[in-house]
Amino acid sequence: EVQLVESGGGLVQPGGSLRLSCAASGFTFSSYWMSWVRQAPGKGLEWVANIKQDGSEKYYVDSVKGRFTISRDNAKNSLYLQMNSLRAEDTAVYYCARGTMDVWGQGTTVTVSS
Amino acid sequence: SYELTQPSSVSVSPGQTARITCSGDVLAKKYARWFQQKPGQAPVLVIYKDSERPSGIPERFSGSSSGTTVTLTISGAQVEDEADYYCYSAADNSWVFGGGTKLTVL
Repeated sequence: EVQLVESGGGLVQPGGSLRLSCAASGFTFSSYWMSWVRQAPGKGLEWVANIKQDGSEKYYVDSVKGRFTISRDNAKNSLYLQMNSLRAEDTAVYYCARGTMDVWGQGTTVTVSS
Repeated sequence: SYELTQPSSVSVSPGQTARITCSGDVLAKKYARWFQQKPGQAPVLVIYKDSERPSGIPERFSGSSSGTTVTLTISGAQVEDEADYYCYSAADNSWVFGGGTKLTVL
């Protein structure tokens, strides 16, 4: 079964850090671009970042540039999002998605609050 | 950056045709995708490359494109189609979702 499972979310204070993980199974992970998408409470979807199959290209939405880093480990079939200098406006459910976004994880919740 | 504009809400009765539009300059030269999201669930891809339907998506879902507007059409909408729908496209290494449209079927 093709599956993506996110983990690593939680409550963090403003200015803090979190590392999200996305474990892939059931497909050849190294063959796909991968993306992170977030959804703030009661709001719409927002693309956050994506990464090429070999990690050689990475792109970010302007609001997270310099604070978030996307990475992957193809040997471990895993995608990551390192989030630093977190702000209240980063509070959201974070989803990982495969390629054309035909497969999504169930999401992990990040809450930035003091 | 660029924007994709959707109506905030669309309402139809069961069995009617629902049409949701998405407008943006980038759509004149880039493909769009459509996602369905029900409360508490992850999004589901229902249309890609403007009009292609992934396997497992009912035939009542279709997509079309004209100039800077793409349209998601649900022919014979059913109660279970009630959800939020988002268009999505990309240009110049930037990817954007539309603001979303709440489809009510009742």
